[in-house]
Amino acid sequence: EAQVTQNPRYLITVTGKKLTVTCSQNMNHEYMSWYRQDPGLGLRQIYYSMNVEVTDKGDVPEGYKVSRKEKRNFPLILESPSPNQTSLYFCASSSPYNEQFFGPGTRLTVL
Amino acid sequence: GQQLNQSPQSMFIQEGEDVSMNCTSSSIFNTWLWYKQDPGEGPVLLIALYKAGELTSNGRLTAQFGITRKDSFLNISASIPSDVGIYFCAGLWSGGYQKVTFGTGTKLQVIP
Repeated sequence: EAQVTQNPRYLITVTGKKLTVTCSQNMNHEYMSWYRQDPGLGLRQIYYSMNVEVTDKGDVPEGYKVSRKEKRNFPLILESPSPNQTSLYFCASSSPYNEQFFGPGTRLTVL
Repeated sequence: GQQLNQSPQSMFIQEGEDVSMNCTSSSIFNTWLWYKQDPGEGPVLLIALYKAGELTSNGRLTAQFGITRKDSFLNISASIPSDVGIYFCAGLWSGGYQKVTFGTGTKLQVIP
């Protein structure tokens, strides 16, 4: 089954403790991206990747890092999480026709 | 970053009624996408539009890519209870890169 998976689905952590949210897709898509979703603000793009080793900033990249060492995986790294990064995070991968497929989401709480 | 203005923010309608929502942008896009999000899940693509003026249907859903490339609308005909959810528009400019901007969403409630 074609899908995007994310782990963990839920995470509660404390300020400053580094964390990684994994994302994997099995559709051989070149393009992947990360979004955060906050009430009233919709979905905002954090980072995107056009292909392996090619990443670029979206609209809200501050406080986040990504890497794309292989096509199927696109982890999101928070080196020093802060409470304002409490949010719902989605990973997505895109077909050559720009159709984005989203993962199930990761709800992150930073205390 | 740029934003998409999506309206209305929310709407309550009676089952069987038609629904219309739209998105406008200050910038042009070369692709418009419409998504539906159910509670606790990721957005699911409903319709993709690739050409200015294009009108595309998917069952009871119809969407149009505005002629100015700065707007798009989505219509749902004969609404049913399972249409409940949040609908998002998204604009994409893929001139060598893919940066996607989402609207703030329209929350749809259907009264049986």
